[in-house]
Amino acid sequence: EAGVAQSPRYKIIEKRQSVAFWCNPISGHATLYWYQQILGQGPKLLIQFQNNGVVDDSQLPKDRFSAERLKGVDSTLKIQPAKLEDSAVYLCASSSQETQYFGPGTRLLVL
Amino acid sequence: AQSVTQLDSQVPVFEEAPVELRCNYSSSVSVYLFWYVQYPNQGLQLLLKYLSGSTLVESINGFEAEFNKSQTSFHLRKPSVHISDTAEYFCAVSSGYSTLTFGKGTMLLVSP
Repeated sequence: EAGVAQSPRYKIIEKRQSVAFWCNPISGHATLYWYQQILGQGPKLLIQFQNNGVVDDSQLPKDRFSAERLKGVDSTLKIQPAKLEDSAVYLCASSSQETQYFGPGTRLLVL
Repeated sequence: AQSVTQLDSQVPVFEEAPVELRCNYSSSVSVYLFWYVQYPNQGLQLLLKYLSGSTLVESINGFEAEFNKSQTSFHLRKPSVHISDTAEYFCAVSSGYSTLTFGKGTMLLVSP
């Protein structure tokens, strides 16, 4: 069974630029999550989708972050414009029941 | 609201020594508990989980954790560690299908 796929693996941008990350969940998993993991901390949930609907986006900085899952399968997370403090690893996870499975993450560096 | 406390940010041990990584949680409802491991430059891999039933759960690579409801703990143990166990370990809690809340992680450093 293929795992959660994410791309790109690494991205370096300058502040005020925009960036997008892509995630393809495990086949058949209805729930998809995006997490932000700042160096030295545990992952923090940004947004949770159930199929193509948003379940929880309470911690998503909506002035600069957006995410979509239009067909209920893969998802895109966008940051526009990026700030220095957005430097982090962005993890995508999916689940069908109570256990979440994570992708390799996208490491973002904002200069 | 739920929270997870991992008191130790780093745990250095020698190879073949036993280790315990501590995790305490707080939640007002019944919980599911998880340990994830993160190797350098990789995503999180599920190590083991407690959903219900036996309070002692084991992983395929020799780790085990015990759910202690009275002490609200889910400590991770291994009787003999290997160099390859060097990684960051995250404890996490959820209540049913809710989101995961993670601790800050414990870096396990195994030296020869």
